[in-house]
Amino acid sequence: RKEVEQDPGPFNVPEGATVAFNCTYSNSASQSFFWYRQDCRKEPKLLMSVYSSGNEDGRFTAQLNRASQYISLLIRDSKLSDSATYLCVVYGGTSYGKLTFGQGTILTVHP
Amino acid sequence: GAVVSQHPSRVICKSGTSVKIECRSLDFQATTMFWYRQFPKQSLMLMATSNEGSKATYEQGVEKDKFLINHASLTLSTLTVTSAHPEDSSFYICSARDRDSGGALNEQFFGPGTRLTVL
Repeated sequence: RKEVEQDPGPFNVPEGATVAFNCTYSNSASQSFFWYRQDCRKEPKLLMSVYSSGNEDGRFTAQLNRASQYISLLIRDSKLSDSATYLCVVYGGTSYGKLTFGQGTILTVHP
Repeated sequence: GAVVSQHPSRVICKSGTSVKIECRSLDFQATTMFWYRQFPKQSLMLMATSNEGSKATYEQGVEKDKFLINHASLTLSTLTVTSAHPEDSSFYICSARDRDSGGALNEQFFGPGTRLTVL
């Protein structure tokens, strides 16, 4: 079983849509959780950290359920510029001290 | 903000040659740098952790004699792909941890990546 699993998509949505991505992780000892964004042929960039209490940054909302070992990202009012691959990332756990990346979920927002 | 550069950004080489990729932290000191590899439509996979002044720690399945890592200073780590073959063609990305930022241990700053194509 992969340490971090995501639905690879792709998700194709119109501008203004709301889209949700899910992620599960295998090791309950994992300590920190993140969503990164990666544009084509570019390096990943931190989008936001994910906390158990849930956190929001503008149109983006992240949730963590430690009991279910489940992480989510909700994007509201999608923009064309949101088109990218969204990576679920876990710190600690099996690979202590290192970041473990999910395979990514591809999002395309069309006019 | 913390900036990490990589050089070259793109390299095309013949099979059997060695390729060196540099990773530099431009405005901070990095005692730890990480090397990742990403194949098309796959996620970033950690290859090795590079610590300044000591030997790199390689992940399972990564050949240390093929992927030579040198972290000779607090701002530079190099990855040399020795005797490269077409299956080594990939996107290589480094990241660095700021020694003095006081930030979380999980905070890493990523370089822009190096795309290697082996013919």
